Amino acid sequence: SAVISQKPSRDICQRGTSLTIQCQVDSQVTMMFWYRQQPGQSLTLIATANQGSEATYESGFVIDKFPISRPNLTFSTLTVSNMSPEDSSIYLCSVLLTGAKGYTFGSGTRLTVV
Amino acid sequence: AQKVTQAQTEISVVEKEDVTLDCVYETRDTTYYLFWYKQPPSGELVFLIRRNSFDEQNEISGRYSWNFQKSTSSFNFTITASQVVDSAVYFCALNTGTASKLTFGTGTRLQVTL
Repeated sequence: SAVISQKPSRDICQRGTSLTIQCQVDSQVTMMFWYRQQPGQSLTLIATANQGSEATYESGFVIDKFPISRPNLTFSTLTVSNMSPEDSSIYLCSVLLTGAKGYTFGSGTRLTVV
Repeated sequence: AQKVTQAQTEISVVEKEDVTLDCVYETRDTTYYLFWYKQPPSGELVFLIRRNSFDEQNEISGRYSWNFQKSTSSFNFTITASQVVDSAVYFCALNTGTASKLTFGTGTRLQVTL
């Protein structure tokens, strides 16, 4: 079974709408990270989600555009709001599992905005 | 600020050739961690290795080896006797604390042909 389950795996959305991406982890983790990977590009951190507190956003990313929820230690959602074609990317969640040396990534959500 | 540079955008080799992927990093922290990830065409990120700043010992894992040199701020990755299945984008990444965000390089696309 997958350690991180990310849904949806892909979606095609109309501009102006919103999409919520879910990330479910098999075990409890303190921090969850949301990254964006634009076509052919590297990964850029959007925000760090801590349970019980507001997410911490990186420069260039704002809560109104990318609201994040973290209701418990195994789950988080990222919403991409009021989408435009420039939001077409792969969105990935990531965690550092207890005892792991490397960060584990979800399989990603491939978003296309038309 | 942290920075990871992968100067090689794309490399093409013929199967069984050896290939080295370069990674140069910048950080002011004395404690940091370096990572390599593989992203095959399917899109998932596969963790390959983590190295901390106090351990300059080179590491070998099968056909993979890593050369960490603090003097040149480099963490290079060599694949010996490359195979077609090695075709992927390889990312070098850096963080400076336990369970903190990763700063990724721009990635190197490796194409291995028969």
